[in-house]
Amino acid sequence: EVQLVQSGAEVKKPGESLKISCKGSGYSFSSYWIGWVRQMPGKGLEWMGIIYPGDSDTKYSPSFQGQVTISADKSISTAYLQWSSLEASDSAMYYCGRLRDIAAAVDYWGQGTLVTVSS
Amino acid sequence: QSALTQPASVSGSPGQSITISCTGTSSDIGGYNYVSWYQQYPGKAPKLMIYDVSNRPSGVSNRFSGSKSGNTASLTISGLQAEDEADYYCNSYTSSSTGVFGGGTKLTVL
Repeated sequence: EVQLVQSGAEVKKPGESLKISCKGSGYSFSSYWIGWVRQMPGKGLEWMGIIYPGDSDTKYSPSFQGQVTISADKSISTAYLQWSSLEASDSAMYYCGRLRDIAAAVDYWGQGTLVTVSS
Repeated sequence: QSALTQPASVSGSPGQSITISCTGTSSDIGGYNYVSWYQQYPGKAPKLMIYDVSNRPSGVSNRFSGSKSGNTASLTISGLQAEDEADYYCNSYTSSSTGVFGGGTKLTVL
């Protein structure tokens, strides 16, 4: 069974760093893209970027380029999304999802990680 | 890139059919047959309903269908049921090698 399990909810202060994770199982993790999607409270879905764990090829959506870093460790089937300096506006639910190829739909989703940034 | 354009809300009575439109540009919907649709219940992760414009994943009801004409894609739900009440998002691959979502449509079953 394909599963993507994300790390737990986080509460951080502005200016702090954060790295959240997405662990895949039940399939060949290196052979599928992993994407990250932001959903701010009461708002819609936004693509942040995608990574191919097999060679770490990464594409960022223009709005998120330079704002976050996406990485992956194929040896432990885990993808990451990280911030070096959080802002209150980063408070949101973050989902990871699996894509068959760079243009494909997300066929499996993680359960989401809620990030709250507040002083 | 700008979000794809969806109506904020649509509604229909049980048994009726509804269609949700999703309008983009030649750099996304019009340029590729990589349109997908997702259903999302409050507090839950999205679920894939349609991929590659008109294909249904295994397990998705055949009451859901997708199509595309030019820069506009559409999701049609026939035989509307109470359980279909949810938010729906379209998504397309773009010339920037990333995806772009629509703003989302809230479906109300009257």
